[in-house]
Amino acid sequence: SQTIHQWPATLVQPVGSPLSLECTVEGTSNPNLYWYRQAAGRGLQLLFYSVGIGQISSEVPQNLSASRPQDRQFILSSKKLLLSDSGFYLCAWSRQGAYGYTFGSGTRLTVV
Amino acid sequence: EDKVVQSPLSLVVHEGDTVTLNCSYEVTNFRSLLWYKQEKKAPTFLFMLTSSGIEKKSGRLSSILDKKELFSILNITATQTGDSAVYLCAVELSGGSYIPTFGRGTSLIVHP
Repeated sequence: SQTIHQWPATLVQPVGSPLSLECTVEGTSNPNLYWYRQAAGRGLQLLFYSVGIGQISSEVPQNLSASRPQDRQFILSSKKLLLSDSGFYLCAWSRQGAYGYTFGSGTRLTVV
Repeated sequence: EDKVVQSPLSLVVHEGDTVTLNCSYEVTNFRSLLWYKQEKKAPTFLFMLTSSGIEKKSGRLSSILDKKELFSILNITATQTGDSAVYLCAVELSGGSYIPTFGRGTSLIVHP
């Protein structure tokens, strides 16, 4: 069966510090991978998606970047965090051409 | 621009009540509509709807899609405190990578 792992679960970082959130999927190959952010009281905002290794599409220009160094690994990064980067970050995967998404357990990021 | 609008944004009921959550959409190239339940962390999948008029049912939850009027409803009968959550609606588009657009969610609180 397929599983998705996301870590860390919570993170408190000072403004200006770097960020690296990691997401891995097991039990499948060539998944579509997604990073979402959810601010308090808001829906899910798609940040990045990837259909293959090294292929990253950005939906919202901002202080973040994403990379996919391996087929089942998706990394969300920032060189210098802003206060506005605080939120709940979710990784998700879907099968190519299939319906529906499975989400990771999320990372609660607080920038102080 | 593609839009997904959920209503109401929040709802407070008592155990045993029946609730109806709404999701309307304006998108090009509709493929499917998804409902998720989000408690503290990751959204969990409830239903996927692709065809009009066919009710999907799981226990006390049911959902139906109207592709002519561009909306879906999620019904919960005999609500329980465990139904308290944010309910998210998402619309998948056809063509390309099937990127979903999420609504802001409906926050449901069920009091004992």
